Amino acid sequence: GENVGLHLPTLSVQEGDNSIINCAYSNSASDYFIWYKQESGKGPQFIIDIRSNMDKRQGQRVTVLLNKTVKHLSLQIAATQPGDSAVYFCAEGANNDMRFGAGTRLTVKP
Amino acid sequence: DSGVTQTPKHLITATGQRVTLRCSPRSGDLSVYWYQQSLDQGLQFLIQYYNGEERAKGNILERFSAQQFPDLHSELNLSSLELGDSALYFCASSVAGRDTIYFGEGSWLTVV
Repeated sequence: GENVGLHLPTLSVQEGDNSIINCAYSNSASDYFIWYKQESGKGPQFIIDIRSNMDKRQGQRVTVLLNKTVKHLSLQIAATQPGDSAVYFCAEGANNDMRFGAGTRLTVKP
Repeated sequence: DSGVTQTPKHLITATGQRVTLRCSPRSGDLSVYWYQQSLDQGLQFLIQYYNGEERAKGNILERFSAQQFPDLHSELNLSSLELGDSALYFCASSVAGRDTIYFGEGSWLTVV
C-alpha cells in the first residue's frame, strides 16, 4: 500500500529557533493533508491542514507547505518553545482514506 | 479537549482475556475510527464506521471487532488477548469521513 513518511526521525532545536518538520507522501491522489501534534501519553491534536489546491497555509506560529510536484509536505514552527516538544504526524487523505506517517519527534532545548 | 471521549483510560488484563473499549464521538460527527499505537510506533488504522456501517478496514486482527451503535457511539472488542496487543488504542471521529479527524485521549491497554 501507499506509505506516508514511515520512519520516525528526531529533530532537536534550540528554544526560539524555527523548526521545520518534513513529510514525504507517495499517493498522488491525496487531496487533503493534516499535521497533528502528539504529546506523551495524549491523543494526536490537530494543528493545521491544507488542501491540494493550495501550496501554503499559515496558522498561529505554524505554516504548512505543500509541494505536489515532489510529494512533500512540511510544517514550519516559528520561535519554537519548550511546549512544542512532541511527536508530529503528517496525514494524507484521499477518497475517504486517511493515512498517517510514523511521525517526527521534536525536542526543544532550553 | 477534542470532544471525543474514550473509556477506560487505562486497563490491565491477562492474556487470553477479552476487553471492550468504548468511544463517544464529537457531537454531530457521524464517522468513527479506531487506531492502534504501540510504543514508538505510528498510528495503525484498524477500522472506520460511518453512521453505523463499516466503511473501511485496515490492519485489524480477526480477534478484534468493532461496531457503531445507533446513537453513534462505538465499541472495539479485543479478544484472546496476547502480550503484543498492549498498546494505546485511539478512537477518532469526523463529520463525514473526508475531513479533519479529531482524536480522543486513548485507552491504554496492558496485557500481562
